Amino acid sequence: DAKTTQPPSMDCAEGRAANLPCNHSTISGNEYVYWYRQIHSQGPQYIIHGLKNNETNEMASLIITEDRKSSTLILPHATLRDTAVYYCIVRPLSGSARQLTFGSGTQLTVLP
Amino acid sequence: GAVVSQHPSWVICKSGTSVKIECRSLDFQATTMFWYRQFPKQSLMLMATSNEGSKATYEQGVEKDKFLINHASLTLSTLTVTSAHPEDSSFYICSAQRENAEQYFGPGTRLTVT
Repeated sequence: DAKTTQPPSMDCAEGRAANLPCNHSTISGNEYVYWYRQIHSQGPQYIIHGLKNNETNEMASLIITEDRKSSTLILPHATLRDTAVYYCIVRPLSGSARQLTFGSGTQLTVLP
Repeated sequence: GAVVSQHPSWVICKSGTSVKIECRSLDFQATTMFWYRQFPKQSLMLMATSNEGSKATYEQGVEKDKFLINHASLTLSTLTVTSAHPEDSSFYICSAQRENAEQYFGPGTRLTVT
């Protein structure tokens, strides 16, 4: 079972920031929060991951709450090409349970 | 990021035949490769996990004799769908992972069984 909860869909205006929430209230101390996205009919693409500190890379920012029970993926300037299903996944960094379990994700639609 | 390829990108086969799908990590050595299946409008479902040189570990409900996985090297894994039937039609996606690193996914293979 997926250990995360995400809204099924969101819209965002092109050029605006897209903020995608994720709840992971049962996350364990050794589990990281990973974000992937899947554009239609393609394989998933890794975006970012974090443990407890906020993270930023060239694609996005990840904000994790202090209690680690939720997080937000931020696409600072959404483009039409960011339309995809975004998956929030928790998994340990090492050990035998490192497989990715995909939930339903959030369908982000960027509107022109 | 790391690049993972799959071949073919799509395949149509007749019922009862077998189909082989290749997954390659192009610029890194993958200690572990994973195979997923995705039906229309559904999420990815893990089928099996394979480590180079050892037998694959299959998820519950996935028939190991039907979905043969070979992980012969650190850059290549193959999935063979044996005696394919229309209900096996799906989008098959592999991923590759270095030790304690992120998984990188291939572009997927669309299998249609007629």
